[in-house]
This record gives sequence, C-alpha cells and structure tokens, in this order.
Amino acid sequence: AQSVTQLDSQVPVFEEAPVELRCNYSSSVSVYLFWYVQYPNQGLQLLLKYLSGSTLVKGINGFEAEFNKSQTSFHLRKPSVHISDTAEYFCAVGPAGSYQLTFGKGTKLSVIP
Amino acid sequence: EAGVVQSPRYKIIEKKQPVAFWCNPISGHNTLYWYLQNLGQGPELLIRYENEEAVDDSQLPKDRFSAERLKGVDSTLKIQPAELGDSAVYLCASSLITGAGELFFGEGSRLTVL
Repeated sequence: AQSVTQLDSQVPVFEEAPVELRCNYSSSVSVYLFWYVQYPNQGLQLLLKYLSGSTLVKGINGFEAEFNKSQTSFHLRKPSVHISDTAEYFCAVGPAGSYQLTFGKGTKLSVIP
Repeated sequence: EAGVVQSPRYKIIEKKQPVAFWCNPISGHNTLYWYLQNLGQGPELLIRYENEEAVDDSQLPKDRFSAERLKGVDSTLKIQPAELGDSAVYLCASSLITGAGELFFGEGSRLTVL
C-alpha cells in the first residue's frame, strides 16, 4: 500500500515570490507520482507527473517537481507565483503501472497581492 | 474536446432521502472512476469501471451506495438512504488507459445532507 503526506495544509506566499509545496510518500514498490491542482468549485487538473526517467519534471503553468527516491519526496516548486495560482494542490502516488492513486490531504496555496 | 461532465453540481437533501449523480466521461475513455472528497481531504476511490465492469468496488459502502455504468459510457452513482455523513463532493474521473494513471476529473457534485 502507498501513503502520501503533504506537510503543509496551508501556504501563504506573496505574489512573485517562489514557493515550494512539500510531498512525501511511502511505498514498498516503484511508484508513479502526480501533482493535481483544484481551483475553487472545480475538479482536479493534472499539473505534472513522474513515471520514469529524468527526476526533474516540468508541468503546466510554470510548475516543476523533483523526484527524490532516497528521501521519498516529490516537492512542487514555482519560481514566481501569480494570483491565479491560488488553489489547492494535491500530491498523489500510485504503484508503477497501476491506476490506484492515493491522494494526500492537499495544500492550500494562497497568493497575497 | 469535451471534458468529464457531471450533474447535478449541487444537491441538498434531507437525511434518509435518495440521491443520484450522473457522469459522462471523455469520449473514448474506457476507464471511469468515482471518488469521494470530504472537506479538507484528498479524493478517495469509491469504484472503478473498465467498460461496463466494476473491477474495483472494495471501498464502496454497498449497504447504501450503488453504481452502474450501462453500455460502458455514462455512469450513475446512487445513495439510498443518505446520511448526514455523506455530505461531500463526489468526483467522477476517466482515463484512456489504466496504467498511466492520468485521470481527467469532472467538476464534481457537491452533496449536502440536512
């Protein structure tokens, strides 16, 4: 079984500042890793995913994440946030090759003008 | 390309009443999922369909919840009778192929049970 821990439930950050949203996972098998974003009253949208290969993954809207196998982490970063990035971000893990995603509890990113 | 469509977006009912949610996945997506999202939590899988077959319903509370996916396209999730603790957002998602895990989500159906 897999588990996901998002270390921060809320992250306030000023506009144009960098941000890092932390995600740690636990699994006894190889995994796929994902970040999804959920804007208010909307469904989840895929930001980026790690399946294999390069550990630095680039996604939409200027976000990127780095897979660190030794630290079992998959932190999400953006060098300069915009007001429009205000949303909730979910990290998810699944066994490599499997549909069965386990989601974290989410991190609410608030961008302050 | 149209995304995953869910209805209704919002539903308010009294406890013990029945409720149903409908989902139309992206055209051509054979895999369909129903997730439950409680307030302040991440989505949790309720049931997964491969075409018409429910291949994983281990997390579906079968005493009051039921689901169907006739003809392998649209799906309906039903709760009867609803309880106060069922207040949540019910998310539908679909994927083209199961292995890659890339899910496309609908906007969700928010249920409030009074």
